Amino acid sequence: RKEVEQDPGPFNVPEGATVAFNCTYSNSASQSFFWYRQDCRKEPKLLMSVYSSGNEDGRFTAQLNRASQYISLLIRDSKLSDSATYLCVAAGGSARQLTFGSGTQLTVLP
Amino acid sequence: SAVISQKPSRDICQRGTSLTIQCQVDSQVTMMFWYRQQPGQSLTLIATANQGSEATYESGFVIDKFPISRPNLTFSTLTVSNMSPEDSSIYLCSVVAVGNTEAFFGQGTRLTVV
Repeated sequence: RKEVEQDPGPFNVPEGATVAFNCTYSNSASQSFFWYRQDCRKEPKLLMSVYSSGNEDGRFTAQLNRASQYISLLIRDSKLSDSATYLCVAAGGSARQLTFGSGTQLTVLP
Repeated sequence: SAVISQKPSRDICQRGTSLTIQCQVDSQVTMMFWYRQQPGQSLTLIATANQGSEATYESGFVIDKFPISRPNLTFSTLTVSNMSPEDSSIYLCSVVAVGNTEAFFGQGTRLTVV
Protein backbone atom coordinates (compact mmCIF):
# COMPACT_ATOMS: atom_id res chain seq x y z
CA ARG A 1 0.00 0.00 0.00
CA LYS A 2 1.30 3.45 -0.90
CA GLU A 3 1.95 5.85 1.94
CA VAL A 4 -0.03 8.61 0.24
CA GLU A 5 -2.79 7.61 -2.13
CA GLN A 6 -4.66 9.77 -4.59
CA ASP A 7 -7.14 9.13 -7.33
CA PRO A 8 -4.99 9.64 -10.45
CA GLY A 9 -7.89 10.88 -12.53
CA PRO A 10 -7.94 12.33 -15.04
CA PHE A 11 -10.65 14.74 -14.03
CA ASN A 12 -12.08 16.60 -17.01
CA VAL A 13 -14.44 19.36 -15.91
CA PRO A 14 -16.04 22.37 -17.63
CA GLU A 15 -15.07 25.90 -16.72
CA GLY A 16 -16.92 27.10 -13.66
CA ALA A 17 -17.37 23.65 -12.19
CA THR A 18 -16.49 22.66 -8.66
CA VAL A 19 -14.10 19.75 -8.33
CA ALA A 20 -12.85 17.87 -5.28
CA PHE A 21 -9.71 15.79 -4.86
CA ASN A 22 -9.22 13.29 -2.09
CA CYS A 23 -6.09 11.84 -0.56
CA THR A 24 -5.39 9.34 2.20
CA TYR A 25 -2.16 8.80 4.10
CA SER A 26 -1.05 5.74 6.01
CA ASN A 27 1.56 7.16 8.38
CA SER A 28 -0.29 8.34 11.48
CA ALA A 29 2.88 10.14 12.60
CA SER A 30 2.63 12.59 9.71
CA GLN A 31 2.36 16.10 11.06
CA SER A 32 2.21 18.49 8.12
CA PHE A 33 0.21 18.29 4.94
CA PHE A 34 0.31 20.19 1.70
CA TRP A 35 -1.14 20.40 -1.75
CA TYR A 36 1.26 21.11 -4.60
CA ARG A 37 0.45 21.90 -8.17
CA GLN A 38 2.63 20.67 -11.01
CA ASP A 39 2.25 21.92 -14.57
CA CYS A 40 3.47 19.81 -17.44
CA ARG A 41 7.29 19.74 -17.59
CA LYS A 42 7.59 22.10 -14.63
CA GLU A 43 8.58 21.73 -11.00
CA PRO A 44 5.95 21.30 -8.26
CA LYS A 45 4.77 24.54 -6.71
CA LEU A 46 3.20 24.87 -3.30
CA LEU A 47 -0.51 25.53 -3.59
CA MET A 48 -1.42 25.53 0.07
CA SER A 49 -0.72 24.00 3.42
CA VAL A 50 -3.49 21.98 5.05
CA TYR A 51 -4.50 22.57 8.65
CA SER A 52 -6.75 20.60 10.97
CA SER A 53 -9.16 23.50 11.15
CA GLY A 54 -9.38 23.63 7.37
CA ASN A 55 -8.20 26.58 5.36
CA GLU A 56 -9.33 28.54 2.38
CA ASP A 57 -7.42 30.58 -0.17
CA GLY A 58 -9.71 32.21 -2.70
CA ARG A 59 -11.33 29.46 -4.75
CA PHE A 60 -9.35 26.73 -3.02
CA THR A 61 -10.34 25.00 0.22
CA ALA A 62 -8.30 22.32 1.94
CA GLN A 63 -9.48 20.04 4.72
CA LEU A 64 -7.69 17.57 6.98
CA ASN A 65 -9.33 14.75 8.93
CA ARG A 66 -6.69 13.22 11.19
CA ALA A 67 -9.02 10.53 12.54
CA SER A 68 -9.64 9.20 9.04
CA GLN A 69 -6.16 10.18 7.78
CA TYR A 70 -7.81 11.95 4.91
CA ILE A 71 -7.03 15.19 3.09
CA SER A 72 -9.14 16.98 0.52
CA LEU A 73 -8.86 19.89 -1.89
CA LEU A 74 -11.89 21.68 -3.27
CA ILE A 75 -11.62 24.00 -6.26
CA ARG A 76 -14.60 26.22 -6.94
CA ASP A 77 -15.37 28.07 -10.17
CA SER A 78 -12.68 26.21 -12.10
CA LYS A 79 -10.57 28.17 -14.55
CA LEU A 80 -8.74 26.92 -17.62
CA SER A 81 -5.51 27.86 -15.83
CA ASP A 82 -6.31 25.37 -13.06
CA SER A 83 -5.44 22.53 -15.44
CA ALA A 84 -2.46 20.74 -13.86
CA THR A 85 -1.53 17.77 -11.73
CA TYR A 86 -2.28 18.19 -8.02
CA LEU A 87 0.03 16.43 -5.60
CA CYS A 88 -0.95 15.54 -2.06
CA VAL A 89 1.98 15.58 0.37
CA ALA A 90 2.38 14.33 3.93
CA ALA A 91 5.41 15.29 5.99
CA GLY A 92 6.90 13.92 9.20
CA GLY A 93 8.05 16.11 12.03
CA SER A 94 11.58 16.60 10.73
CA ALA A 95 10.29 17.48 7.24
CA ARG A 96 12.67 14.85 5.97
CA GLN A 97 9.86 12.37 5.44
CA LEU A 98 8.12 14.36 2.73
CA THR A 99 5.99 11.80 0.96
CA PHE A 100 4.23 12.59 -2.29
CA GLY A 101 1.10 11.05 -3.68
CA SER A 102 1.11 10.05 -7.32
CA GLY A 103 -0.89 13.11 -8.28
CA THR A 104 -4.35 13.81 -9.66
CA GLN A 105 -4.58 15.20 -13.16
CA LEU A 106 -7.13 17.95 -13.76
CA THR A 107 -8.15 19.36 -17.13
CA VAL A 108 -10.59 22.26 -17.19
CA LEU A 109 -12.38 22.45 -20.52
CA PRO A 110 -13.73 25.60 -22.19
CA SER B 1 9.79 31.75 -0.53
CA ALA B 2 13.44 31.11 -1.33
CA VAL B 3 14.70 31.61 -4.87
CA ILE B 4 16.27 28.39 -6.08
CA SER B 5 18.55 28.14 -9.08
CA GLN B 6 19.14 24.67 -10.44
CA LYS B 7 21.34 23.85 -13.39
CA PRO B 8 21.65 22.49 -15.91
CA SER B 9 17.99 22.59 -16.83
CA ARG B 10 18.46 19.68 -19.19
CA ASP B 11 21.18 17.47 -20.61
CA ILE B 12 21.65 14.52 -22.89
CA CYS B 13 24.47 12.27 -21.76
CA GLN B 14 26.23 9.17 -22.94
CA ARG B 15 25.89 6.03 -20.88
CA GLY B 16 28.80 5.41 -18.54
CA THR B 17 29.45 9.12 -17.96
CA SER B 18 28.54 11.25 -14.94
CA LEU B 19 26.58 14.47 -14.58
CA THR B 20 26.70 16.92 -11.69
CA ILE B 21 23.63 19.02 -10.98
CA GLN B 22 23.92 22.20 -8.95
CA CYS B 23 21.38 23.81 -6.64
CA GLN B 24 21.91 27.35 -5.34
CA VAL B 25 19.53 29.11 -2.93
CA ASP B 26 19.44 32.85 -2.33
CA SER B 27 18.98 32.52 1.44
CA GLN B 28 20.00 30.17 4.19
CA VAL B 29 17.80 27.12 4.43
CA THR B 30 17.57 24.41 7.04
CA MET B 31 17.13 21.45 4.77
CA MET B 32 17.99 20.56 1.20
CA PHE B 33 16.73 17.48 -0.58
CA TRP B 34 17.18 15.78 -3.92
CA TYR B 35 14.25 14.08 -5.63
CA ARG B 36 13.80 12.08 -8.79
CA GLN B 37 10.66 12.12 -10.90
CA GLN B 38 10.46 9.48 -13.58
CA PRO B 39 8.15 9.99 -16.55
CA GLY B 40 4.50 9.91 -15.54
CA GLN B 41 5.34 9.27 -11.91
CA SER B 42 5.41 11.22 -8.70
CA LEU B 43 8.47 12.37 -6.80
CA THR B 44 10.79 9.98 -5.00
CA LEU B 45 13.22 11.24 -2.39
CA ILE B 46 16.81 10.32 -3.19
CA ALA B 47 18.53 11.84 -0.17
CA THR B 48 18.77 14.66 2.32
CA ALA B 49 21.84 16.84 1.76
CA ASN B 50 23.53 17.56 5.09
CA GLN B 51 25.81 20.53 5.47
CA GLY B 52 29.41 19.49 6.00
CA SER B 53 28.67 15.78 6.32
CA GLU B 54 27.53 12.80 4.30
CA ALA B 55 24.05 12.88 2.86
CA THR B 56 21.29 10.67 4.25
CA TYR B 57 20.10 8.31 1.53
CA GLU B 58 16.69 6.71 1.15
CA SER B 59 16.21 3.04 0.53
CA GLY B 60 17.29 2.10 -2.97
CA PHE B 61 19.75 4.96 -3.38
CA VAL B 62 23.46 4.76 -2.58
CA ILE B 63 26.30 7.22 -2.30
CA ASP B 64 28.42 5.59 -4.99
CA LYS B 65 25.69 6.13 -7.55
CA PHE B 66 24.41 9.51 -6.32
CA PRO B 67 27.19 11.35 -4.48
CA ILE B 68 25.93 14.56 -2.91
CA SER B 69 27.77 17.55 -1.53
CA ARG B 70 26.56 20.43 0.61
CA PRO B 71 29.52 22.61 1.54
CA ASN B 72 27.39 25.40 3.01
CA LEU B 73 23.79 26.32 3.84
CA THR B 74 22.91 27.61 0.38
CA PHE B 75 24.52 25.23 -2.11
CA SER B 76 24.35 21.53 -2.95
CA THR B 77 25.29 19.25 -5.81
CA LEU B 78 23.98 15.87 -6.90
CA THR B 79 26.07 13.69 -9.20
CA VAL B 80 24.49 10.91 -11.22
CA SER B 81 27.38 8.50 -11.75
CA ASN B 82 28.04 5.87 -14.41
CA MET B 83 24.75 6.68 -16.06
CA SER B 84 22.50 4.21 -17.83
CA PRO B 85 19.27 4.84 -19.76
CA GLU B 86 17.33 3.91 -16.60
CA ASP B 87 18.66 7.10 -15.00
CA SER B 88 16.75 9.20 -17.52
CA SER B 89 14.50 11.27 -15.34
CA ILE B 90 13.87 14.70 -13.90
CA TYR B 91 16.01 15.51 -10.88
CA LEU B 92 14.73 18.16 -8.50
CA CYS B 93 16.36 20.10 -5.72
CA SER B 94 14.09 21.07 -2.83
CA VAL B 95 14.64 23.33 0.18
CA VAL B 96 12.93 24.13 3.45
CA ALA B 97 13.64 27.64 4.68
CA VAL B 98 14.52 28.54 8.24
CA GLY B 99 11.41 28.67 10.42
CA ASN B 100 9.16 27.05 7.83
CA THR B 101 7.78 23.62 7.06
CA GLU B 102 6.91 24.12 3.39
CA ALA B 103 9.29 22.79 0.77
CA PHE B 104 10.10 24.67 -2.44
CA PHE B 105 11.59 23.26 -5.60
CA GLY B 106 14.18 24.19 -8.14
CA GLN B 107 13.22 24.17 -11.81
CA GLY B 108 14.46 20.62 -12.24
CA THR B 109 17.06 18.98 -14.48
CA ARG B 110 15.71 16.87 -17.30
CA LEU B 111 18.28 14.15 -17.93
CA THR B 112 18.28 11.84 -20.92
CA VAL B 113 20.87 9.07 -21.08
CA VAL B 114 21.53 7.58 -24.50
